[in-house]
Amino acid sequence: ETGVTQSPTHLIKTRGQQVTLRCSSQSGHNTVSWYQQALGQGPQFIFQYYREEENGRGNFPPRFSGLQFPNYSSELNVNALELDDSALYLCASSLVGTRITYEQYFGPGTRLTVT
Amino acid sequence: AQKVTQAQTEISVVEKEDVTLDCVYETRDTTYYLFWYKQPPSGELVFLIRRNSFDEQNEISGRYSWNFQKSTSSFNFTITASQVVDSAVYFCALSGSGSRLTFGEGTQLTVNP
Repeated sequence: ETGVTQSPTHLIKTRGQQVTLRCSSQSGHNTVSWYQQALGQGPQFIFQYYREEENGRGNFPPRFSGLQFPNYSSELNVNALELDDSALYLCASSLVGTRITYEQYFGPGTRLTVT
Repeated sequence: AQKVTQAQTEISVVEKEDVTLDCVYETRDTTYYLFWYKQPPSGELVFLIRRNSFDEQNEISGRYSWNFQKSTSSFNFTITASQVVDSAVYFCALSGSGSRLTFGEGTQLTVNP
């Protein structure tokens, strides 16, 4: 069973630029969630994708957007980068059923630094 | 709104000591799920346990045990006979029907040899 993978591992961008982060979900999972983890803090929910549609969003501005593809992989796009966007971005995949929430399995994360 | 509080920012113990990590949560959902994750220095969050709100049975898995008490909205995590490899940041998390996770701020556990 292949776990959750993310690319790239590290990324350095300049303020104002745009960035795309990628995530491949674990085999058999149908849902992908993205989290932002600032240094020394707990992860914050950005949004979730289920069946290629956004299925819930946290308190993040519209310049954070995403996609989910038919193979359940996903992208996180951030436009007009700000210094505060520097963080570890975590992708998690899970299997969402009709009555139950299963655990989310996380990838290794992408460390984004905005200068 | 959901909230998870981990009051212990840092804990330091000597190897073989038992240690309990506290977690208190707030939610208006009647059905919800509680989780513990471990984050070693590599950064990847490792799933440890999931508990649903209808199951208050305590659980033991090897040196790990969890105490879920709905009456006090707590879901505490105990490591028995701690080892250096247990050193990590531990997060308690909560999800309702939407399956998004709300995390606490984490507890940095350091186990010294």
